[in-house]
Amino acid sequence: QKEVEQDPGPLSVPEGAIVSLNCTYSNSAFQYFMWYRQYSRKGPELLMYTYSSGNKEDGRFTAQVDKSSKYISLFIRDSQPSDSATYLCAMTTFSGGYNKLIFGAGTRLAVHP
Amino acid sequence: ETGVTQSPTHLIKTRGQQVTLRCSSQSGHNTVSWYQQALGQGPQFIFQYYREEENGRGNFPPRFSGLQYPNYSSELNVNALELDDSALYLCASSSETGVGYTFGSGTRLTVV
Repeated sequence: QKEVEQDPGPLSVPEGAIVSLNCTYSNSAFQYFMWYRQYSRKGPELLMYTYSSGNKEDGRFTAQVDKSSKYISLFIRDSQPSDSATYLCAMTTFSGGYNKLIFGAGTRLAVHP
Repeated sequence: ETGVTQSPTHLIKTRGQQVTLRCSSQSGHNTVSWYQQALGQGPQFIFQYYREEENGRGNFPPRFSGLQYPNYSSELNVNALELDDSALYLCASSSETGVGYTFGSGTRLTVV
């Protein structure tokens, strides 16, 4: 079993839809939870990160972490064609300057006009 | 402020050869990590360098090695290349207190 599981999709939605992306994990020691966006032929770009459980909002993006269920989510409101990319969840224990990120496989999202 | 830059962008090597990939970290970042991303997969942690020392390593064999220079730039060296080494190699930098990494655009290595 992988430490982080993520549905690879692809997910296809119309412009303006609300998108929900999810990951589950098995390591209860993870403390920081991140979402990265990766466009084709580019490196991952950090969208937002959350420490421990709770919600965090940044513009059209909302990240949720439920440590009791070992489940994290990213919601995208009013999705745009420019949101079409692969979304990677990542998590880490981050101790003493040692920061190994464990990534999910990524979910491919296509937003069509 | 410049981001993370990697060179070369693409590379084709023959099985058994050796390769060196290079990375310049973002200004102000002193920690560099390398990741391998196979097609359709998430990045896999290779190792991390902090103050020119390797301070963490993933499940990669010793033929994957690295360096970090005093200016925090870094190299990834892979010896005895195998076909399965074909992947996108990503360099990422952060400050020692930063949780989030800044990634470069990667080097796409093809081993034939």
